[in-house]
Amino acid sequence: DTAVSQTPKYLVTQMGNDKSIKCEQNLGHDTMYWYKQDSKKFLKIMFSYNNKELIINETVPNRFSPKSPDKAHLNLHINSLELGDSAVYFCASSQDPSGYNEQFFGPGTRLTVL
Amino acid sequence: QKEVEQNSGPLSVPEGAIASLNCTYSDRGSQSFFWYRQYSGKSPELIMSIYSNGDKEDGRFTAQLNKASQYVSLLIRDSQPSDSATYLCAGRNTGGFKTIFGAGTRLFVKA
Repeated sequence: DTAVSQTPKYLVTQMGNDKSIKCEQNLGHDTMYWYKQDSKKFLKIMFSYNNKELIINETVPNRFSPKSPDKAHLNLHINSLELGDSAVYFCASSQDPSGYNEQFFGPGTRLTVL
Repeated sequence: QKEVEQNSGPLSVPEGAIASLNCTYSDRGSQSFFWYRQYSGKSPELIMSIYSNGDKEDGRFTAQLNKASQYVSLLIRDSQPSDSATYLCAGRNTGGFKTIFGAGTRLFVKA
């Protein structure tokens, strides 16, 4: 069974479009995350939700809007896509937001903006 | 800006050798540290976590933490070609919720 799943796996779109990435975890975890990994492999936190509440909101353009309908799902909507948004986006989850818990990562969504 | 720094490599070692991966961090409040392995095109997966000063061993992997020097390392004994990947060091302050990742070290194990 897939622990953390994301759809789509690949997303190719034109500048200016709006797109969404979906994430689901079946681990029963309370906390979910969105990370962006750029071409240099640098993995940077964007958002985190704990029990549907936003707990981390990094300096990310407000074109990016996360939504957590329940604690098993965390979606990412991106408006007015730009070339610089091209990256791999990873969803992750952990038991809770404390510092001692492993984060489990989804397979990633490779976003290419043309 | 709290940072985790790693040498990007690539680090190349022959099969059977010990690979030594190093990481420093700037946030003295960091309490827990993680080593993730990421194969090309795949997602990160946890190799080791360490919270106390000293060594922690798990099979061929040993994590070392020195909080006074703000230094974390990962030793891989008897390196195998299948160990070739990017290794991400990460630190977390238990007072906050963020895990800060380093940029990763690429390891090549030559058969």
